[in-house]
Amino acid sequence: AQSVAQPEDQVNVAEGNPLTVKCTYSVSGNPYLFWYVQYPNRGLQFLLKYITGDNLVKGSYGFEAEFNKSQTSFHLKKPSALVSDSALYFCAVSPGNTGGFKTIFGAGTRLFVKA
Amino acid sequence: NAGVTQTPKFRILKIGQSMTLQCTQDMNHNYMYWYRQDPGMGLKLIYYSVGAGITDKGEVPNGYNVSRSTTEDFPLRLELAAPSQTSVYFCASSAGQDGNTIYFGEGSWLTVV
Repeated sequence: AQSVAQPEDQVNVAEGNPLTVKCTYSVSGNPYLFWYVQYPNRGLQFLLKYITGDNLVKGSYGFEAEFNKSQTSFHLKKPSALVSDSALYFCAVSPGNTGGFKTIFGAGTRLFVKA
Repeated sequence: NAGVTQTPKFRILKIGQSMTLQCTQDMNHNYMYWYRQDPGMGLKLIYYSVGAGITDKGEVPNGYNVSRSTTEDFPLRLELAAPSQTSVYFCASSAGQDGNTIYFGEGSWLTVV
C-alpha cells in the first residue's frame, strides 16, 4: 500500500533563513510526487511536482524540492524564508500517471516564519 | 477561468438534515473529486469521477452520495447529517493527462449540530 509521511507537524524558521519541510513516501512503481500549499481558509494550491528527469524540481514562489529515490524522500526547500510563506504544506504521491484519483496526501506540515 | 467553484462556503446543519454541496469546474477536466479535511488528518477522498456518468467510492464514502451528469458539475449529497460529518469539504478536478496535478476549490465549511 502506498503512503506518505510528513514527520513534522510544525516547522519554525526565522525570516531570511533557509527552510526544509520533510516528506517520505512509499509507493510501487515510479511515483509522481507533489507539494501543495494551503493558506488559511483557502483551498490547496499546486506548488511543484516531480515526474521524471532532474531530481531537483523548481516551483512557485521560489520553492524547490529534491527527489531522492534511495531515501524515498521529496523534501521541500527554500533558500530564504518569507513571513508570507507561513502556511500549511502538503506532500502528495500518486503511482504513475493514474489520473489523480489514486493520489494520497500527507497529514500536512504547518510552516511558521517569524519576522 | 474561474477554475473549481464550490458552494456554499459555510453551512450549519442540524443532525438528520440533508444538503447538497455544489461544485462546478470550467477547465474541461475529466476527473473530479470530493475530499474532506479534518484537523491533523490531511485529506481523505470521499468520491471521485473519471467522466460524466461515472462515479466511484473513495476512502470515506459512507453518508455521502454523488452524481456526475455533466463534465462540469459534481455535486456531493449529505443524507441524514451526523456530527462526524463536521469538516471542511474540498471539490477538486484534474485533467488526468498532465501528471495528475489536482486543482482545488476554496472549500466548504460544514458544521453539524
